Amino acid sequence: DGGITQSPKYLFRKEGQNVTLSCEQNLNHDAMYWYRQDPGQGLRLIYYSQIVNDFQKGDIAEGYSVSREKKESFPLTVTSAQKNPTAFYLCASSTRRDLPRDTQYFGPGTRLTVL
Amino acid sequence: RKEVEQDPGPFNVPEGATVAFNCTYSNSASQSFFWYRQDCRKEPKLLMSVYSSGNEDGRFTAQLNRASQYISLLIRDSKLSDSATYLCVVNLGGDTGGGNKLTFGTGTQLKVEL
Repeated sequence: DGGITQSPKYLFRKEGQNVTLSCEQNLNHDAMYWYRQDPGQGLRLIYYSQIVNDFQKGDIAEGYSVSREKKESFPLTVTSAQKNPTAFYLCASSTRRDLPRDTQYFGPGTRLTVL
Repeated sequence: RKEVEQDPGPFNVPEGATVAFNCTYSNSASQSFFWYRQDCRKEPKLLMSVYSSGNEDGRFTAQLNRASQYISLLIRDSKLSDSATYLCVVNLGGDTGGGNKLTFGTGTQLKVEL
């Protein structure tokens, strides 16, 4: 089955620790994205990548880092510098990087809780 | 002013009712528009794209008014399974240099009741 997978589904972290969230897609999509969702707020873009070995900051990149070494994979690291990391993290992908009508498809998400 | 604004609801409607949601966007250069559906604690899923001429998919009809910068979603003959949060989504387009960036509204919650 084609799709986007994220792991783990739930993640608990102690303050001061870095943690990496996995996102894998087998849809052969060029572009991948990371969003976070907080209660009562819309999804906010953290980072996006339009092609392998290239990525751009989104609206709220501070405290996060990413890599795009393979087309299928776009891991997100939440660093200790992120002030309020508890949130629902969603990864998405789309076929083309430059078409406005291109649809983004989402993975099932990872719920991160900082204890 | 928020880039994409929606009434958060909740809209509580009886099964079989017709319900409409509106959404306004601030950037007149926006190029494409979508409605996504999000169930509680799940990921958003594309419901439908919104075209200038309006488009229909079964019980769902989407309309775009560029002059007034709003988008609407009409759901006819509501089902219990339609209960979800509906997200209005806008894309400025690739020529802004920002790639395929989507801007999401906070969502409108719909509850369909017996």
